[in-house]
Amino acid sequence: DAKTTQPNSMESNEEEPVHLPCNHSTISGTDYIHWYRQLPSQGPEYVIHGLTSNVNNRMASLAIAEDRKSSTLILHRATLRDAAVYYCILRGGGATNKLIFGTGTLLAVQP
Amino acid sequence: DAGVTQSPTHLIKTRGQQVTLRCSPKSGHDTVSWYQQALGQGPQFIFQYYEEEERQRGNFPDRFSGHQFPNYSSELNVNALLLGDSALYLCASSLGGYREQYFGPGTRLTVT
Repeated sequence: DAKTTQPNSMESNEEEPVHLPCNHSTISGTDYIHWYRQLPSQGPEYVIHGLTSNVNNRMASLAIAEDRKSSTLILHRATLRDAAVYYCILRGGGATNKLIFGTGTLLAVQP
Repeated sequence: DAGVTQSPTHLIKTRGQQVTLRCSPKSGHDTVSWYQQALGQGPQFIFQYYEEEERQRGNFPDRFSGHQFPNYSSELNVNALLLGDSALYLCASSLGGYREQYFGPGTRLTVT
């Protein structure tokens, strides 16, 4: 399973944009990049995923480098509710659905 | 539309005992995965069930077993509990093998 590298922690101010980086230099051509987040005392929550092109949804944007060896999750306006552990995960494109979590990035949002 | 539900919320067991955890998937989902999350760590994949069969398994001993019922709900059984089995056990459901997973709130298991 290809691995990802994320900073252990990051801080942001409320209502400011947040850029959460992820390195995945051993990504294969069929690996999708997934992001999940886990709020305190809750199960993980799906945020966004992509393969090659940048993606946007109501929660966030995903910017994928041209060589696909890194990606960035963008929260456009952080709120206190966005304080969570953010996990960057690579998922194979074959018949495998398991998620391989690392330790993620703990995002703190200051009012 | 109810999301993924798990029961019980908390559980305390003694070493050597057996435990059964339960999960009801999100409506319309047919695939259930189980994860173990130790304190301060990311979730670790245990196994996945689809069409009442174990389709994929992570690096967990045979003490961990599961079952999926015709209504897609699932159980996780752990035999001969060890102190190291103390963790948050998460259930996730999805539709098919490639879609995003929806997680339940988890069951906190404490082994004393």
